[in-house]
Amino acid sequence: AQTVTQSQPEMSVQEAETVTLSCTYDTSESDYYLFWYKQPPSRQMILVIRQEAYKQQNATENRFSVNFQKAAKSFSLKISDSQLGDAAMYFCAYRSGDTGANSKLTFGKGITLSVRP
Amino acid sequence: GAVVSQHPSWVICKSGTSVKIECRSLDFQATTMFWYRQFPKQSLMLMATSNEGSKATYEQGVEKDKFLINHASLTLSTLTVTSAHPEDSSFYICSAREAGAYEQYFGPGTRLTVT
Repeated sequence: AQTVTQSQPEMSVQEAETVTLSCTYDTSESDYYLFWYKQPPSRQMILVIRQEAYKQQNATENRFSVNFQKAAKSFSLKISDSQLGDAAMYFCAYRSGDTGANSKLTFGKGITLSVRP
Repeated sequence: GAVVSQHPSWVICKSGTSVKIECRSLDFQATTMFWYRQFPKQSLMLMATSNEGSKATYEQGVEKDKFLINHASLTLSTLTVTSAHPEDSSFYICSAREAGAYEQYFGPGTRLTVT
């Protein structure tokens, strides 16, 4: 079974600074997807960024980028120019490349990010 | 992106009664829907996966007779908590996905309080 590990329960960053959230995973599959989700105080899950395992290039979405190290099974999220609105719980998630009906997301425990003004 | 709605957003019920939560995909056909439970400051715990027109597949440890899931159409799934007890109080989130898609979309969640 696949597992996703987020070992840091909390992190804090100064506004406008950069922060990196770490995530490791374990799988025997070669085809899969990785995601970072943000859950603000409203508790609405928001997709921040995704990475297809077959792509070597790291995904980037504006201030958010990932460092995907497939051999090391590491998938960290870098948030640049942190803003107060980035304060939230962040979840790393894995999904098999099998798009079958019962393919499901495996979530890490999450990390609470606070942003200091 | 695609929109998933949940109703109600917050419900209070008395112990022993049943409560139904609706999950709707507003602009796409959700062939698969997922129901999660989340406690404060914790991760999402998958309760069950449902495919339209089929019986739900429950995760280990989830009581299927207590948490009834129906996915009768491509846009609607319901979760009924039967004979609710205070320990069922939690935040319930649904998520939906189109056939063959890698991405799933989340509803805003429902806060259930059982008194």
